[in-house]
Amino acid sequence: AQSVAQPEDQVNVAEGNPLTVKCTYSVSGNPYLFWYVQYPNRGLQFLLKYITGDNLVKGSYGFEAEFNKSQTSFHLKKPSALVSDSALYFCAVRDPPSGAGSYQLTFGKGTKLSVIP
Amino acid sequence: DGGITQSPKYLFRKEGQNVTLSCEQNLNHDAMYWYRQDPGQGLRLIYYSQIVNDFQKGDIAEGYSVSREKKESFPLTVTSAQKNPTAFYLCASSTLGQGFSGELFFGEGSRLTVL
Repeated sequence: AQSVAQPEDQVNVAEGNPLTVKCTYSVSGNPYLFWYVQYPNRGLQFLLKYITGDNLVKGSYGFEAEFNKSQTSFHLKKPSALVSDSALYFCAVRDPPSGAGSYQLTFGKGTKLSVIP
Repeated sequence: DGGITQSPKYLFRKEGQNVTLSCEQNLNHDAMYWYRQDPGQGLRLIYYSQIVNDFQKGDIAEGYSVSREKKESFPLTVTSAQKNPTAFYLCASSTLGQGFSGELFFGEGSRLTVL
């Protein structure tokens, strides 16, 4: 079964410092990996994805993620954190197709990022 | 603007009552989903639908029911059989098949509290 793990429930970082939110995955076959962000009492927003190609993927709001096949990791990064980046971040993996080409995503449990002014 | 609209945003229910959460999308997406979010547990799939008049159970379908009479609408009913219904419910939609990029479009959520 596909799965993702986010080993940290919470990450604290000072404003202006680089941030990393960790994600490891377990899949059969090629991984399709995603990051989503959720602000308080809101729905999730898509940040970026890795399907194939460069191991460094760039996404929205200055975020990027590094795919590492040997370590089965897909860590989210940003060079300089902003207070407005404080939110809940979810890593997700695409499950194999089912039915009429429908794909499901399996989400991690989320990591709360707090950027301290 | 295209998007997904969920209503109500907040809902209180007495034990033993059924409640229906609305989800409407104008993105022309074929697939729609309902997730439940609890603190520290991430998102869990309740039901999903790929086409009108068809839907499949997700990981935690017990105590829930859905319908898909129109492409744009996918309401979720939380029945009295759901033992622990207090949660944040998220509706999402996506394209299907090889056109699916992995991007789910989410509504703003509905927070249900059972008193």
